[in-house]
Amino acid sequence: AQSVTQPDIHITVSEGASLELRCNYSYGATPYLFWYVQSPGQGLQLLLKYFSGDTLVQGIKGFEAEFKRSQSSFNLRKPSVHWSDAAEYFCAVGPGTYKYIFGTGTRLKVLA
Amino acid sequence: DVKVTQSSRYLVKRTGEKVFLECVQDMDHENMFWYRQDPGLGLRLIYFSYDVKMKEKGDIPEGYSVSREKKERFSLILESASTNQTSMYLCASSSQGTSGANVLTFGAGSRLTVL
Repeated sequence: AQSVTQPDIHITVSEGASLELRCNYSYGATPYLFWYVQSPGQGLQLLLKYFSGDTLVQGIKGFEAEFKRSQSSFNLRKPSVHWSDAAEYFCAVGPGTYKYIFGTGTRLKVLA
Repeated sequence: DVKVTQSSRYLVKRTGEKVFLECVQDMDHENMFWYRQDPGLGLRLIYFSYDVKMKEKGDIPEGYSVSREKKERFSLILESASTNQTSMYLCASSSQGTSGANVLTFGAGSRLTVL
């Protein structure tokens, strides 16, 4: 079955610390991969996407993600977290057409 | 700047009422989607549309219907609202990107409470 797993429901980091949010997927074909961020009361904003090519992709707000086919993972990273990064983060995979599968989200808390 | 507008941010309705959630996009996108977001469940696809007057069921269509009479507008309809439809509803749109994949652009969401 196709699925996306974000194993961490909540993560707390101190401002300035590094961040890694995990995403594992189960998908029959080579997927298109996405990370979205949702600030409180808002819709989802695209952080970055992977379609093909270089497995390390850069996104907005200083985020990056690495696609590891052997591990079926697409983890999101940021070297130094800012207080404004506190939000909920969603990983998604899809076929590039209509039906995308979203993870259940990871809520990030940033300590001052 | 934007892009996908959901006309109602917060709604409170009573059980049995008919509810309309409206979504408009100004990007000339072919595809439009309605998702439901619940804590711990992520986003679940209710319906999507790939063209005017066309619609396809998503993963949880029961209790919902949709309408797309114009390219820019996609409406979600709850014929008879029930308390288990209390949720955040997210509209999104996308086009066929040059890279071959659709990137979803989301609206700000409509939080519906059914009493």
